Amino acid sequence: DAGVTQSPTHLIKTRGQQVTLRCSPKSGHDTVSWYQQALGQGPQFIFQYYEEEERQRGNFPDRFSGHQFPNYSSELNVNALLLGDSALYLCASSLLQDRTEAFFGQGTRLTVV
Amino acid sequence: GENVEQHPSTLSVQEGDSAVIKCTYSDSASNYFPWYKQELGKGPQLIIDIRSNVGEKKDQRIAVTLNKTAKHFSLHITETQPEDSAVYFCAASRGGGFKTIFGAGTRLFVKA
Repeated sequence: DAGVTQSPTHLIKTRGQQVTLRCSPKSGHDTVSWYQQALGQGPQFIFQYYEEEERQRGNFPDRFSGHQFPNYSSELNVNALLLGDSALYLCASSLLQDRTEAFFGQGTRLTVV
Repeated sequence: GENVEQHPSTLSVQEGDSAVIKCTYSDSASNYFPWYKQELGKGPQLIIDIRSNVGEKKDQRIAVTLNKTAKHFSLHITETQPEDSAVYFCAASRGGGFKTIFGAGTRLFVKA
């Protein structure tokens, strides 16, 4: 079992550009949540996808959008990048009906210059 | 809004001593409280969790306590070892896949 995998591991983008981050959930999991972790802070919830729909959303602007595919994998898209979007983006997967803990991937380190 | 406060932000202990990290939460509907350990360059890893119908849970050297009335929960690590050095996060959730709110983290240093 590969666990939660994210790609790419590191990324450098320029202000104003757009970025897409990818996540494959742990085998058997159907729910994917995305978090933003700024340096020295705890992860902050962006949104959660279940059955290919956005189920919950945190306090992030519409520049942040996502998608979940039929195989449960997910993408996080960020448009019009700002310097403040530089952070570690974490994906977590879980099984909704199981009410179990979420398993995190290793994250994608995004740097906006 | 929902908030989780975590203290201390930094904790330094001697190997073999105990470490205690405390958290408070604001959302009364929270009923699931996981603790995560994050090492440099890695994602958070669940180390222990507790649900609201339980006051205490132990797993080897790690224990968590929960006081729902006071909205407090704590992590206790006994017989600390250098490999326990990491950042620890407490979190709270309404469970059932609801979003998880994290504390700001505690950087634990265990000196050999």
